[in-house]
Amino acid sequence: GAVVSQHPSWVICKSGTSVKIECRSLDFQATTMFWYRQFPKQSLMLMATSNEGSKATYEQGVEKDKFLINHASLTLSTLTVTSAHPEDSSFYICSAREPGVADTQYFGPGTRLTVL
Amino acid sequence: AQSVTQLGSHVSVSEGALVLLRCNYSSSVPPYLFWYVQYPNQGLQLLLKYTSAATLVKGINGFEAEFKKSETSFHLTKPSAHMSDAAEYFCAVSVRFGNEKLTFGTGTRLTIIP
Repeated sequence: GAVVSQHPSWVICKSGTSVKIECRSLDFQATTMFWYRQFPKQSLMLMATSNEGSKATYEQGVEKDKFLINHASLTLSTLTVTSAHPEDSSFYICSAREPGVADTQYFGPGTRLTVL
Repeated sequence: AQSVTQLGSHVSVSEGALVLLRCNYSSSVPPYLFWYVQYPNQGLQLLLKYTSAATLVKGINGFEAEFKKSETSFHLTKPSAHMSDAAEYFCAVSVRFGNEKLTFGTGTRLTIIP
């Protein structure tokens, strides 16, 4: 089956620094990837849709300048949390859509971000 | 816009008993429906999906779900619960020929009683 990886699996950073999270589709090419945020014991909230070779589409209320998304290749999308603050601490999960498979997204294992 | 309602944020069943997790959806156009499972500190794993073929969908780990248009439901069942089924389960909907966005329910935490 389709495999999506994320790196790092967890990261701790100081307030004011930037953190980059990578999302890779390992065995298929993904023209579209998605970034979600999950607060403890809550559901996933879509942050943005990442399209290879074009600008990401952000959901309402998500700050584009704070959460920078780059989808430079068909197998890699990155999310950079800029000037991180404690309220950005969360579980970030990416997913990738497998072409030709009806609306099925495969999820990465997630990245736990803690901002001190 | 589409939405999903999962009834029951917590469900507890005894090992060997029937598992029933409820999901109702709302969509103005024919939907695609999904069930995902999430183990602690992990991403989501696809259990099964409905994409307009058979209304009874069989997934991994012995789970199945039935799409009932008249009831706008897509409940998840498993005949006999196993300890390893303890996890968080999410129902999700997307729209055919739409923008591929998934809308998730609030999740149901399944606890298995030994």
